[in-house]
Amino acid sequence: DIVLTQSPATLSVTPGESVSLSCRASQGISTSIHWYQQKSNESPRLLIKYASQSISGIPSRFSGSGSGTDFTLSINRVESEDFSVYYCQQSYSLPYTFGAGTKLELK
Amino acid sequence: EVQLQQSGAELGKPGTSVKLSCKVSGYNIRNTYMHWVNQRPGKGLEWIGRIDPANGNTIYAEKFKSKATLTADTSSNTAYMQLSQLKSDDTAIYFCAMDPGPGRMDAWGQGASVTVSS
Repeated sequence: DIVLTQSPATLSVTPGESVSLSCRASQGISTSIHWYQQKSNESPRLLIKYASQSISGIPSRFSGSGSGTDFTLSINRVESEDFSVYYCQQSYSLPYTFGAGTKLELK
Repeated sequence: EVQLQQSGAELGKPGTSVKLSCKVSGYNIRNTYMHWVNQRPGKGLEWIGRIDPANGNTIYAEKFKSKATLTADTSSNTAYMQLSQLKSDDTAIYFCAMDPGPGRMDAWGQGASVTVSS
């Protein structure tokens, strides 16, 4: 199975800062990575598909990059509504797997 | 607008089974894969498996092969997951998610809580 390692586990920031969240795959997966946001007691929401493709209705401050084994979710100027947990998920091969998540919290 | 409406919370005794449902509106499930994902208390997301409702083909994560059974009824546009031989470790929130292909989960149900307790 492909293992996804997300870092850091927790990121403490103040609103207005820009941040980068990392997701590293245990083997090359091309651009078959997707990013989700999960707010407390809510379902996950798809933010970015196939490493860098935007999703309708998602604010433009969210962007993704990377290919192969290293991927990044960037948030330009964090807003208060962005404090939540972010997961990456690979669809390169079955079984699909998720990273353990990065919690974005208020400093 | 696509909506996935899951069945309500379940309380099951150890050794019994529960069956969860996920009714999709606004999209024909024949044109999508349906995934199931769990989340144990305070933990991350775990992929259980997926079904292709058009032909009933299923794929499971290894640890769920004898635990979960995925089915779908295209006439009612509903996906199902049965969990068998419940143990306390099965206590979790279970989500269904729609995948128009391939591999990303575009829309999610609200989640169904399963609590296993005697």
